[in-house]
Amino acid sequence: QLQLQESGPGLVKPSETLSLTCTVSGGSISSSSYYWGWIRQPPGKGLEWIGSIYYSGSTYYNPSLKSRVTISVDTSKNQFSLKLSSVTAADTAVYYCARGARGYAFDIWGQGTMVTVSS
Amino acid sequence: QSALTQPPSASGSPGQSVTISCTGTSSDVGGYNYVSWYQQHPGKAPKLMIYEVSKRPSGVPDRFSGSKSGNTASLTVSGLQAEDEADYYCSSYAGSSYVFGTGTKVTVL
Repeated sequence: QLQLQESGPGLVKPSETLSLTCTVSGGSISSSSYYWGWIRQPPGKGLEWIGSIYYSGSTYYNPSLKSRVTISVDTSKNQFSLKLSSVTAADTAVYYCARGARGYAFDIWGQGTMVTVSS
Repeated sequence: QSALTQPPSASGSPGQSVTISCTGTSSDVGGYNYVSWYQQHPGKAPKLMIYEVSKRPSGVPDRFSGSKSGNTASLTVSGLQAEDEADYYCSSYAGSSYVFGTGTKVTVL
């Protein structure tokens, strides 16, 4: 069964770039039936969609983060990645990777990884 | 792109029903039949409960149902059980983007 696992530094300094990777196991990231996304959740707050990438390589980003976000995919490693530049304390959150499926819903989620922005 | 509006809290006794609303605009909830609902227990990842307004993924009990009218979607949990106590978030496709709701904490009394 398909599983997703986030990985990356748990602490990032202000103004630097946050980089996370999501490893997909139990299935291929190249399937045209699915797409892949990043969602975050600040401590004690709600969910925020960051962006998504489709098998074609097309990317879509949250307009409020678009200038700072890059999502890419590495099919050889069955991974997709998130880069968020110029981070501030407001970017402190649990970051989830997820699989997008029919109905524009995210049906499988990683366990999440906490990223703190602090000097 | 503003968050969809949900009530902060809802509650019910075991066996009762609770309904959570999710209000958006014609650019998201009202414009597409792509509303989904997620359940999140403390410290856990969200779990998809409803997609395409009213469809249930395999394994989700039929106690969970969804509907939509205009710019407002709703999730109803019937026959409340202790394990239904969690945070619930709606989400809507908004044309090449997504927007989540503010979240509702459901308490089983």
